[in-house]
Amino acid sequence: DTEVTQTPKHLVMGMTNKKSLKCEQHMGHRAMYWYKQKAKKPPELMFVYSYEKLSINESVPSRFSPECPNSSLLNLHLHALQPEDSALYLCASSQAPPPGGSMTEAFFGQGTRLTVV
Amino acid sequence: GQQVMQIPQYQHVQEGEDFTTYCNSSTTLSNIQWYKQRPGGHPVFLIQLVKSGEVKKQKRLTFQFGEAKKNSSLHITATQTTDVGTYFCAGRVGYSTLTFGKGTMLLVSP
Repeated sequence: DTEVTQTPKHLVMGMTNKKSLKCEQHMGHRAMYWYKQKAKKPPELMFVYSYEKLSINESVPSRFSPECPNSSLLNLHLHALQPEDSALYLCASSQAPPPGGSMTEAFFGQGTRLTVV
Repeated sequence: GQQVMQIPQYQHVQEGEDFTTYCNSSTTLSNIQWYKQRPGGHPVFLIQLVKSGEVKKQKRLTFQFGEAKKNSSLHITATQTTDVGTYFCAGRVGYSTLTFGKGTMLLVSP
């Protein structure tokens, strides 16, 4: 199984709503990522979890709250978003690098296309 | 901070023509990865280059990593309509996370 599964595929939410994006992988990867991608732009890193611990937060506003319940699951909780937060949200996973080793390929999910109205 | 520049932003070719996209980094990279994203799709890993001067081939695709590990290129020979998409390079410095280039959007006319 070399898939990263994201749900939902599409989400429309109001600015006062609370919603969650979910991501699951069964490749035994211990590094998981959230990226945000606007149209015709590259993916922008938001968060990195390594061995279920948050290791990188790229100065993301607190209205985005990540959670890693176990090694296979990654959530992104959304609250009080703004219309400019509308984007494709991509989850990815990879093997966590061993000491002195380099990172391997990242597997991306199909993304959740989020529209904030 | 680390920057990865990618050119061109956009290229439109006739089927059968060749295509090349280039990436340049302001700092020495530990490795570089290439991804392809089809319209409406998600990035899909193509390859990783680690060694200075490395060249790897996948059928019609040729990937190169510069001697100084600051630049890389992807060359497609005899493009096909199935090659349409945006090609991203993504560089890594040490154990840092990937920094994506802005991507090159390739259109192929039959």
